[in-house]
Amino acid sequence: DSGVTQTPKHLITATGQRVTLRCSPRSGDLSVYWYQQSLDQGLQFLIQYYNGEERAKGNILERFSAQQFPDLHSELNLSSLELGDSALYFCASSVEQGTEQYFGPGTRLTVT
Amino acid sequence: AQSVTQLGSHVSVSEGALVLLRCNYSSSVPPYLFWYVQYPNQGLQLLLKYTSAATLVKGINGFEAEFKKSETSFHLTKPSAHMSDAAEYFCAVSPISGNTPLVFGKGTRLSVIA
Repeated sequence: DSGVTQTPKHLITATGQRVTLRCSPRSGDLSVYWYQQSLDQGLQFLIQYYNGEERAKGNILERFSAQQFPDLHSELNLSSLELGDSALYFCASSVEQGTEQYFGPGTRLTVT
Repeated sequence: AQSVTQLGSHVSVSEGALVLLRCNYSSSVPPYLFWYVQYPNQGLQLLLKYTSAATLVKGINGFEAEFKKSETSFHLTKPSAHMSDAAEYFCAVSPISGNTPLVFGKGTRLSVIA
C-alpha cells in the first residue's frame, strides 16, 4: 500500500459525458501527478500540482482539467469523453518535485 | 531535456535465470534514477532509486541496479528470476536540480518461463 488513494476504482460511462476522478496523496506529500496509461500510448504524464498550484503540464487534452485543493487532494475532470479516453488513470504523489513518486492503484475508465 | 531509453519492450527469461533489463538516460546534469514495477491491474511500485550515494543500489524483491556514468546506464538485474517477477518495469530519471517531474521510459515487459 503506497498511501495514495484513488476513487473510484472503475468507471463506465458513455461518449460525450463528463467524469471526475479523485486522488488523495500520501500524508505530507505536496506534489500530485496525473498519468494516463493505455495499451497503445503507454504511460503518459498529464499534469502536476504542487501545494495547490499547477507546476508542469504534459500531454493533457484541452477537454481534461485538474485541480488541487487546500487539503491537497486532487481531482481530474474529463469531459466530452471519447472512446479513445478509455484507459487507466493513475495519480502519484511526492514530497517534492523530482523525488520518487508513489502511485495510487488507479481508476479504470471505460467509455462506451 | 532528459530522456530515458529502455532497450527491449519485451524480455523473456527462464525461471532461475539472470534478469537484465536495460535503461540508458540522457541528462545534462547527474540525475536521480528510479526503477518501478507494475503488476497487472496495479499501480507502479518503487523498486529502487539512485540518488548519488552508492553506485550499486539494492532494491526490493532481490533486484539491484548499477549507475554507470561513463555509459549513462542504470540497468536492473536480479540473479535468479522467479515466476512472480513477471511484470512491466519502468525506468525513470530526474535531474538533481529537481525542478521537473520524473521522465519515464516506455517500459519493458518481463516474462518468466517455467
